[in-house]
Amino acid sequence: QKEVEQNSGPLSVPEGAIASLNCTYSDRGSQSFFWYRQYSGKSPELIMSIYSNGDKEDGRFTAQLNKASQYVSLLIRDSQPSDSATYLCAVNRPGGTSYGKLTFGQGTILTVHP
Amino acid sequence: NAGVMQNPRHLVRRRGQEARLRCSPVKGHSHVYWYRQLPEEGLKFMVYLQKENIIDESGMPKERFSAEFPKEGPSILRIQQVVRGDSAAYFCASSPWGLGDTQYFGPGTRLTVL
Repeated sequence: QKEVEQNSGPLSVPEGAIASLNCTYSDRGSQSFFWYRQYSGKSPELIMSIYSNGDKEDGRFTAQLNKASQYVSLLIRDSQPSDSATYLCAVNRPGGTSYGKLTFGQGTILTVHP
Repeated sequence: NAGVMQNPRHLVRRRGQEARLRCSPVKGHSHVYWYRQLPEEGLKFMVYLQKENIIDESGMPKERFSAEFPKEGPSILRIQQVVRGDSAAYFCASSPWGLGDTQYFGPGTRLTVL
């Protein structure tokens, strides 16, 4: 079982629709969760961090965390063609010797078509 | 504020040469992380450093790779005797406090080994 799993996609949605990206993780001790966006040939760019169960909203983006189900998701409302990118879920498990390490999923490719 | 800076942005080396990758963190950040992204693969943690200390090097290959973050100057990732399999994008990230806080990524160094 991979430590962090994402559907690789590609996920294709029409402009203006809601894009839903999902991520599951295997380590129950994980405490910090991040969504990054990566355009082709570029570096990861932080979209959202979430640390507590529930929803966190920032503009068109909403992150949802359910630690009991070991599940974190990202919703993008009113999707735009400029949202087309690879979305990376990253998980951190503070404590021990690995507290600086982010473990990434393989990424979900999102395409928003006009 | 300047973000994380990395240089060079592109580096070409022949097999057997040395590669030195530099990273200057966000001003005020004392935690630096290196990640590698192989072609068509996800981001993989390599090493976590604080000033003058290696905190976690669990992701570093056992041979040829080393990293440092001196009291003065940038963090350096050094790859000795490069091989074609080292061709990848190397990203540096920094954070202010460690312990699972948000990591901000630099633009990366694309290493090509001929």
